[in-house]
Amino acid sequence: NAGVTQTPKFRVLKTGQSMTLLCAQDMNHEYMYWYRQDPGMGLRLIHYSVGEGTTAKGEVPDGYNVSRLKKQNFLLGLESAAPSQTSVYFCASSSPPGGGNNEQFFGPGTRLTVL
Amino acid sequence: RKEVEQDPGPFNVPEGATVAFNCTYSNSASQSFFWYRQDCRKEPKLLMSVYSSGNEDGRFTAQLNRASQYISLLIRDSKLSDSATYLCVVNPLTGGGNKLTFGTGTQLKVEL
Repeated sequence: NAGVTQTPKFRVLKTGQSMTLLCAQDMNHEYMYWYRQDPGMGLRLIHYSVGEGTTAKGEVPDGYNVSRLKKQNFLLGLESAAPSQTSVYFCASSSPPGGGNNEQFFGPGTRLTVL
Repeated sequence: RKEVEQDPGPFNVPEGATVAFNCTYSNSASQSFFWYRQDCRKEPKLLMSVYSSGNEDGRFTAQLNRASQYISLLIRDSKLSDSATYLCVVNPLTGGGNKLTFGTGTQLKVEL
């Protein structure tokens, strides 16, 4: 099992460019998440999905869009990148809560720099 | 007030030492608590869940004090490989979605 994978690992964008980050998981998890991690801020939830075809806003959704067309994939889009979106982006997946199992499994991250 | 607060450290300790990290959370309705470990430039990984009765996993012991809204992690006999950032994580159980709230992390450096 590959677990959670993310594409690309690194990317440099110019202000105003668009891009899509891809997350894939092979654990048959219902729930998927996108976080950003910035120095001194901890991980912050951008958007999440509780199942195929559903998405919801997290703590910092502005400037991002997501889609969950297939259960195993969760895409994060930046329509017009801004320097404030320079960050490390982590995708995660989990089973629905219950039975004491809330563990989220993370991908290796995407390092994005917006110039 | 941040939802989850941790001392950022760094905690520099010699190999073999015992070190403790603390964390406080603001949402008294929170039900699930965890410690995640994050190595430099890597993804977070679950270290252990924290139960009301306290729990131990080898050299690691986690405690929860609901009255004080306080979580702790104790590491005994520190190893060089324990060097990492330890994230205190709370599931506030609001709004659905199994959302987690992460602290900013406490950095541990174990030295020879």
